[in-house]
Amino acid sequence: DIQMTQSPSSLSASVGDRVTITCRASQTISNSLNWYQQKPGQAPKLLIYDTSSLYSGVPSRFSGSGSGTDFTLTIDSLQPEDFAIYFCQQSYNTPRITFGQGTRLEIK
Amino acid sequence: QVQLQESGPGLVKPSQTLSLTCTVSGGSISSDPYYWSWIRQHPGKGLEWIGYIYYSGNTFYNPSLQSRISISLDTSKNQFSLKLKSVTAADTAVYYCARDFQEGAAAGTFDSWGQGTLVTVSS
Repeated sequence: DIQMTQSPSSLSASVGDRVTITCRASQTISNSLNWYQQKPGQAPKLLIYDTSSLYSGVPSRFSGSGSGTDFTLTIDSLQPEDFAIYFCQQSYNTPRITFGQGTRLEIK
Repeated sequence: QVQLQESGPGLVKPSQTLSLTCTVSGGSISSDPYYWSWIRQHPGKGLEWIGYIYYSGNTFYNPSLQSRISISLDTSKNQFSLKLKSVTAADTAVYYCARDFQEGAAAGTFDSWGQGTLVTVSS
């Protein structure tokens, strides 16, 4: 299976900051990379699919980039509602879908 | 907009079979060409895809769980179900049902999720 490794595992930031979360795949996955946001007690929500496509209704301060094995999620001007856990997920090797371990974004 | 809701026992004894159902509203699992998945999340951990079923009834399972799982459709109730047999404490997790966002394709991208249900395996 393709292993997905996120860094950092946790991150402290302030409202208004710009933050970047990295996801690395153990082999090339082209652009088949999705990002999800999960808040406590809730299911994950799709933010970005196919590396850089913003899902419907997701604020434009979220963006994604990368290709091959290295990908990033960037959040511009953090808002209070953005503090959550973020997961990357590869959809290249469907149906052998795998997720990263998550990055916890906390308020500084 | 499609909505999903998991249901089933919150406690299962070791070696028994875990059975969960996902009720779908706002869409038809028998006529809408989507892939319907089960995904689980161990406490405080990441996410693990379990398997999915297409509206036609075709199934695909995670190889690591394949020998113990089955997923089926109940079109009369607009539900799909998960059975995981011979459970151990390692199967304790929040179980989610989800729908692939791309019609007619196993894109492996999930845009609709149930709220999740915690299943604890314990005697």
